[in-house]
Amino acid sequence: AQSVTQLDSHVSVSEGTPVLLRCNYSSSYSPSLFWYVQHPNKGLQLLLKYTSAATLVKGINGFEAEFKKSETSFHLTKPSAHMSDAAEYFCVVNSNSGYALNFGKGTSLLVTP
Amino acid sequence: DAGVIQSPRHEVTEMGQEVTLRCKPISGHNSLFWYRQTMMRGLELLIYFNNNVPIDDSGMPEDRFSAKMPNASFSTLKIQPSEPRDSAVYFCASSPLQTMNTEAFFGQGTRLTVV
Repeated sequence: AQSVTQLDSHVSVSEGTPVLLRCNYSSSYSPSLFWYVQHPNKGLQLLLKYTSAATLVKGINGFEAEFKKSETSFHLTKPSAHMSDAAEYFCVVNSNSGYALNFGKGTSLLVTP
Repeated sequence: DAGVIQSPRHEVTEMGQEVTLRCKPISGHNSLFWYRQTMMRGLELLIYFNNNVPIDDSGMPEDRFSAKMPNASFSTLKIQPSEPRDSAVYFCASSPLQTMNTEAFFGQGTRLTVV
């Protein structure tokens, strides 16, 4: 079955420092991978997605993620954190059926001044 | 585009009452999903519709839950009777294509509290 594991439930960074949110996936075939962000009391917004076109994927708000098949990873990074980045981040993989999305447990990002 | 619209945003009800959550997907999208988010279980898919037809309802917890999509622009999720353990945030999402690479677009969610 397709699944993802988010390695950290909470990450805290200082404003202006780099962000790294880790995600490993399990897939029996080439997956489609996504990162979604959820701000407090808001819906989920797509940050970026990997669809095998390029291993380094650029998303919105300066985020990017690199697909590494050898490590079965899809970590999310940003060079410099902003206060507005504080939110819950979800790593997501398409399910075996193809139409549904399997969500990780989420990583809560805290950005301190 | 207004995005996926859910109503109500918040619902507080007493145990045993019927609850109906509503969703308007993005126009032109042919796939619709209902997800539930809880602290314990994270985000779970409840049911998936394609072209208004339920394709997979294996995630629906039990018979108390039912979902309908009478037309391409409207869907409901009903809980009858409601129980405190149903308290969660319920998200509706829609998608334009049924492919492996297509993301889903989420509504703001309905926060349900059953007391």
